[in-house]
Parts: sequence; C-alpha cells; structure tokens
Amino acid sequence: AQKVTQAQTEISVVEKEDVTLDCVYETRDTTYYLFWYKQPPSGELVFLIRRNSFDEQNEISGRYSWNFQKSTSSFNFTITASQVVDSAVYFCALSAEIQGAQKLVFGQGTRLTINP
Amino acid sequence: DGGITQSPKYLFRKEGQNVTLSCEQNLNHDAMYWYRQDPGQGLRLIYYSQIVNDFQKGDIAEGYSVSREKKESFPLTVTSAQKNPTAFYLCASSPLDGLAVQETQYFGPGTRLLVL
Repeated sequence: AQKVTQAQTEISVVEKEDVTLDCVYETRDTTYYLFWYKQPPSGELVFLIRRNSFDEQNEISGRYSWNFQKSTSSFNFTITASQVVDSAVYFCALSAEIQGAQKLVFGQGTRLTINP
Repeated sequence: DGGITQSPKYLFRKEGQNVTLSCEQNLNHDAMYWYRQDPGQGLRLIYYSQIVNDFQKGDIAEGYSVSREKKESFPLTVTSAQKNPTAFYLCASSPLDGLAVQETQYFGPGTRLLVL
C-alpha cells in the first residue's frame, strides 16, 4: 500500500531563514508521481510541483527547491530566505493508480510559520 | 478565468438533514474528486469520477453521495447517515490526457461544513 509520511507536524522559523520540509513515501509501483501542495489560511490547496519517479534531478523555482532521492524514498522541499507569506500548511502527496483512475495519497501536512 | 468554484463557503447542517455541496469547473477536465479534511489531518478521498454518469467510491464514502450529470459539475451530498460531518470539504479536478496517475489535480477553495 502507498503511504506518505511528513514527520514534522509544525515548524517555526524567523523570516529569512532557510527551512526544509521532509517527505518520505512508500510504494511498490515502479512508475509514480510525487506532488507538493501549499494550503494557505484561506484553505485552497495550491499546486507547487509534480515529479515523476524517473526524474531524479533537483528542481529550483525561485526561492523553492526540491530534492528527490529514490534511494531514500524522499522528496524534500526547501524554502530559501523564507518570507512571512510562506506561512501555510504544506502537503506532500503520492499518485497511485486505482482501477485506471488516480488516487492521491497525502501526508499529514507540515504547518510552517514564518515569524517576522 | 478558468478554475474551480465551490459553494457555499460555509454550510450549517441540522441533525438528520441532508445537505449538498456544489463543485463546478470550467477547465474542461474529465476527472473530478471530493476530499474531506479534518483538523491537523491530510486529505481523504470520498468519491471520484472520470466521466459523466460514472463515479466510484473512495476511502470514506459512507454517508455521502454524488452525481455527475454534467462534465462541469460534481455535487456532493452529505446525508444524515454521516454521523460526524464537521470538516473542510475540497473538490478537485484533473485532465485525463494520458495515464491518470501522471495528472495534476487542481483544487477549489473548499466548503466548511458545521453541525448545529
């Protein structure tokens, strides 16, 4: 069965610090996709990134970067020079196939608070 | 603007009452999903639909029902059989251009359901 673990329930840092959110996943599939979503206080989930299991290149988008390591089944997310607007709950998710359809398996989320 | 709309933003349910949550998308996506989020928890799949007039149960379908009469719409009814309905409900949609497992799900703003 697929499973996603975000061991950090809450993280609090001071603005401009770098912060890394951990994500560990379990799957027996050889082809799978991993996602990160941001949930600001408004509640809507905002898509950040999708990564497939064959692409282990790290990705950088502005202050955001993602480190995908198949050997340790991890897909960690780093925010560089954090800002107050980064405060949100962040979810890591694994895409699984069920009867030809897609099921997203979510971690419990990490609540990130950036203090001014 | 293309997107997913959910209404109402807040919904109050009395004991024994059925209530319906609306979800509409104009992204021309084939697949639609309903998730439930409890405080401090990840998202759990209630129902999903890949085509009109067809839908499948997710992990926690008991006490809920759905319909998919139009591609754009996927309403969720919380029935009186759902004994603990207080939660945040999120609707999502995704295209089905290739393998379902690779698609990105996009989320609406959510509906918060409270029991009086």
